[in-house]
Amino acid sequence: GAVVSQHPSRVICKSGTSVKIECRSLDFQATTMFWYRQFPKQSLMLMATSNEGSKATYEQGVEKDKFLINHASLTLSTLTVTSAHPEDSSFYICSAPSDPRGDEQFFGPGTRLTVL
Amino acid sequence: DAKTTQPTSMDCAEGRAANLPCNHSTISGNEYVYWYRQIHSQGPQYIIHGLKNNETNEMASLIITEDRKSSTLILPHATLRDTAVYYCIVRVALRNTDKLIFGTGTRLQVFP
Repeated sequence: GAVVSQHPSRVICKSGTSVKIECRSLDFQATTMFWYRQFPKQSLMLMATSNEGSKATYEQGVEKDKFLINHASLTLSTLTVTSAHPEDSSFYICSAPSDPRGDEQFFGPGTRLTVL
Repeated sequence: DAKTTQPTSMDCAEGRAANLPCNHSTISGNEYVYWYRQIHSQGPQYIIHGLKNNETNEMASLIITEDRKSSTLILPHATLRDTAVYYCIVRVALRNTDKLIFGTGTRLQVFP
């Protein structure tokens, strides 16, 4: 099946710094990608929909100025957590549909962010 | 998209069939039932989906009731590697750019 990668897999940063997470579709193009956040023992929560060449669509309650999303190419979307704080520590996961009429979405392996 | 209800957790002996139920009583006629699973600290993995007919692939079988208000995911011979959280999601297919909304899922523990 199609492969989605994320980088880095794990990051530790100090409070107040910004962290960029990359999501890449390795063997297919994705005009749309999705970003999720998952806290321990909880389900995935959709944060935003990343659209190639246009602005991301954020879910209610997600601060667009804090979680910057850039979908600059058909194979890369980035999520930047700006001025990170300990409460932003979480597991961040991206996904991409294999094609607009595909039956499944492919998920990245996730990025674990720890803010000290 | 319709809401789903799943048991919080289930146990299954290795080698036995694992039957995971899902209720989706408000499902619409054009909504499909999807199943994903998430092994600890990994991204979710697609398992199977269906509309109204039963479906089978190399991973699992999906049984959908005639009224489509509930379904069951069957892992015919569970292994320890099937220990994961299983999510049942209903959504309109053929619009795969639509978002997936995850519920709480069922935590399946396969024991030796």
